[in-house]
Amino acid sequence: SYVLTQPPSVSVAPGKTARISCGGNNIGSKSVHWYQQKPGQAPVLVIYYDSDRPSGIPERFSGSNSGNTATLTISRVEAGDEADYYCQVWDSYTDHPVFGGGTKVTVL
Amino acid sequence: QITLKESGPAQVKPTQTLTLTCTFSGFSLSTSGVGVGWLRQPPGKALEWLTLIYWTDDKRYSPSLKSRLTITKDTSKNQVVLTMTNMDPADTATYYCAHRRTTVAPFDYWGQGTLVTVSS
Repeated sequence: SYVLTQPPSVSVAPGKTARISCGGNNIGSKSVHWYQQKPGQAPVLVIYYDSDRPSGIPERFSGSNSGNTATLTISRVEAGDEADYYCQVWDSYTDHPVFGGGTKVTVL
Repeated sequence: QITLKESGPAQVKPTQTLTLTCTFSGFSLSTSGVGVGWLRQPPGKALEWLTLIYWTDDKRYSPSLKSRLTITKDTSKNQVVLTMTNMDPADTATYYCAHRRTTVAPFDYWGQGTLVTVSS
């Protein structure tokens, strides 16, 4: 089965840039979606189809996908960006969604 | 506006069967491409996908839980029902239902989640 690998944690100072990786075999050939989850809340879609932003998501959130790594980038990080972030793709062989293990972003 | 809401028992005993209902509005499960999925998240752990039902009534199940899961839909009531048998304390989690618009699309709308505790 397809596996997505994320770093468990990323720390970043306010105003700096956070980059969260999502590794998978030839992930560049798949569409990657990213979710933000704050404590006690349901996940919220922040990036879909690699780099599109839903309405209401700040432009500070961006995504890229190439080769074996997809990346969620958060520019000018704010305290309110502190959350867990999950990447997700669809396994084309099984038609099952696959989630990464999540990355906890800590704002220093 | 699309909304989803999970309902069901907050606590079940080991070996019992859990039944959760997802009641939604703002879309129809008879629309081509649409799917509703169930996911869960044990306390302090990652998201885990459980099952998904499509507008065609086609279904997908997580291989690790397939033998214990059943998903059904009632299009007229705008509901999707998840049944999980032989509950174990390890199944303690927040259970979410979520909307998917079409093939390889994200889960773009989520319910608020419902915490289910498995304990005797």
